[in-house]
Amino acid sequence: DTQMTQSPSSVSASVGDRVIITCRATQDIANWLAWYQQKPGKAPKFLIYATSNLQSGVPSRFSGGGSGTDFTLTISSLQPEDSGTYYCQQTNSLPFTFGPGTKVDIK
Amino acid sequence: EVRLLESGGILVQPGGSLRLSCVASGFNFTTSGVSWVRQAPGKGLEWVSGMNSRGDGTKYADSVKGRFTMSRDISKNTLYLEMQSLRAEDTAVYYCAKVCRNNWNYGLSYWGQGTLVTVSS
Repeated sequence: DTQMTQSPSSVSASVGDRVIITCRATQDIANWLAWYQQKPGKAPKFLIYATSNLQSGVPSRFSGGGSGTDFTLTISSLQPEDSGTYYCQQTNSLPFTFGPGTKVDIK
Repeated sequence: EVRLLESGGILVQPGGSLRLSCVASGFNFTTSGVSWVRQAPGKGLEWVSGMNSRGDGTKYADSVKGRFTMSRDISKNTLYLEMQSLRAEDTAVYYCAKVCRNNWNYGLSYWGQGTLVTVSS
């Protein structure tokens, strides 16, 4: 199975800051990576598919990049509503494993 | 508008059985793959199972293989997860989710609100 890691495990940043979350796969997953945002007590929200494609309605301050085994999610200018936990998921091969999550807090 | 609504989560004893349901609206199961994903209390997300739009290809995580069965009733646009031989480690919120653009490589674009399964004596 492909294992996923994320760093940092948590980050605290101010409104307007640039935040970068890294996701790493234990094997080459090409560009088959998705990102989700989850707020406490809520279902995950789909943000990005195929590494860099924004789901409809997702603000343009979110962007994704990378390929192979190393990927990033960037929030270009952090907003208060961006707090939550972010998960990456490899969608290259079954089982479609998730990363452990990165918690983003607003200072 | 796509909506998914899970139900059926309860407190069940170890070794017991349970069936979860997920009613979909705004799309048809014959046009989109679907998945079950679970989240143990305070933990991350775990992909549990998936079914393709034809309904003839169902896959499971090793942790549930042989104990969980995914099925659907097209006439009711309802997805099911039959869970047997339940263990304490199956305790989680279970989400059903729709595959993005019917392409498994894209991820899960719509999620239900989840239903809590607690396995405990």
